[in-house]
Amino acid sequence: QQQVKQSPQSLIVQKGGIPIINCAYENTAFDYFPWYQQFPGKGPALLIAIRPDVSEKKEGRFTISFNKSAKQFSLHIMDSQPGDSATYFCAASSNTGKLIFGQGTTLQVKP
Amino acid sequence: AAGVIQSPRHLIKEKRETATLKCYPIPRHDTVYWYQQGPGQDPQFLISFYEKMQSDKGSIPDRFSAQQFSDYHSELNMSSLELGDSALYFCASSSGLAGGLGIETQYFGPGTRLLVL
Repeated sequence: QQQVKQSPQSLIVQKGGIPIINCAYENTAFDYFPWYQQFPGKGPALLIAIRPDVSEKKEGRFTISFNKSAKQFSLHIMDSQPGDSATYFCAASSNTGKLIFGQGTTLQVKP
Repeated sequence: AAGVIQSPRHLIKEKRETATLKCYPIPRHDTVYWYQQGPGQDPQFLISFYEKMQSDKGSIPDRFSAQQFSDYHSELNMSSLELGDSALYFCASSSGLAGGLGIETQYFGPGTRLLVL
């Protein structure tokens, strides 16, 4: 059973567009929600993370929106660039620190 | 800045052989996590160590074992390898353990690609 559900599975946008990736979770013990970017053959790299006491966090072109009551969170990439083409994973963690990942979203940004 | 080091980067083994994967965390990081990522899949948590003690265990087969040494590096030992063990194995490190200390950012290494023939 996937504890963190991510959608869409793939996404294609034009350069400058704003791709949005959504995640939902069930376990209310989760209290840390990071997003990772992964290029083929590379390790995941942390993009941005949020805790449930905050509804939105922005770092550069990346924004997380968090809805605690709905148990949902999303990643927005502003002014997307071809270099943003990668696989994006949402994740959740509780007090043990282990990350539970979503299924991933493959993003393609067309020039 | 120093990153997580994993060795080897690539490994080819035959079925029923053994493999040892090594992870060297970022300096002064005392927590290590191991993840397995199959083709086109999300990383799955295997096991973690904090201050050389196992801190959590996930979907790690009994054929696998791991430990963290006094210098904080960690090794994942895999025996009786099966075709299904072919995957990318990532190690991540953090400074401090979650829980009372709070969640600390996990930094991932480049991974070891294991191919079992």
